Amino acid sequence: NAGVTQTPKFQVLKTGQSMTLQCAQDMNHEYMSWYRQDPGMGLRLIHYSVGAGITDQGEVPNGYNVSRSTTEDFPLRLLSAAPSQTSVYFCASNFGRWNTEAFFGQGTRLTVV
Amino acid sequence: RKEVEQDPGPFNVPEGATVAFNCTYSNSASQSFFWYRQDCRKEPKLLMSVYSSGNEDGRFTAQLNRASQYISLLIRDSKLSDSATYLCVVFHLAGGYNKLIFGAGTRLAVHP
Repeated sequence: NAGVTQTPKFQVLKTGQSMTLQCAQDMNHEYMSWYRQDPGMGLRLIHYSVGAGITDQGEVPNGYNVSRSTTEDFPLRLLSAAPSQTSVYFCASNFGRWNTEAFFGQGTRLTVV
Repeated sequence: RKEVEQDPGPFNVPEGATVAFNCTYSNSASQSFFWYRQDCRKEPKLLMSVYSSGNEDGRFTAQLNRASQYISLLIRDSKLSDSATYLCVVFHLAGGYNKLIFGAGTRLAVHP
């Protein structure tokens, strides 16, 4: 049972480039979310989904897009990378409700130069 | 003011010590509370949920004070393996969606 799998683990982008962070879970969780973690700050919610075909914005959605075509996958797209998007990104899934245990992927360390 | 505030530490303690972390939250409508543990350069993992009556899991005890809006985590008989960052997490409905609010974390370093 792999849990939540994120790829890549590390990425360096040039300003203006686009890329997709992949997230997949094999626990049949309906709820999935993307967070970013910056030094001195808690994890901040970027986008979330409560099921296939349903996505919505979190606290810091600007510059990011998501889609949820299947229950398993929830990719995060950076449209035009900016240095302010340098961060560690975590994908998470929850079973049933948000106030249950969140299972996180291993994270993606993104640097935008 | 941050919605969830924690002392960033670090707390440097010897093995066997008892250490306590506090966390305050600003939204009185918060419904659920958790402590997550995050090892260096790793993902957060649930340590324990926090209930109004308080709860204990081995060497770890969590308390919730709704009136004062703070949560605590007590670690007894600290082990080297307890060295990590401890994240206080609060759940509530805000801005039209349910969300988990993460504190920035308190770093614990246990030394021999």
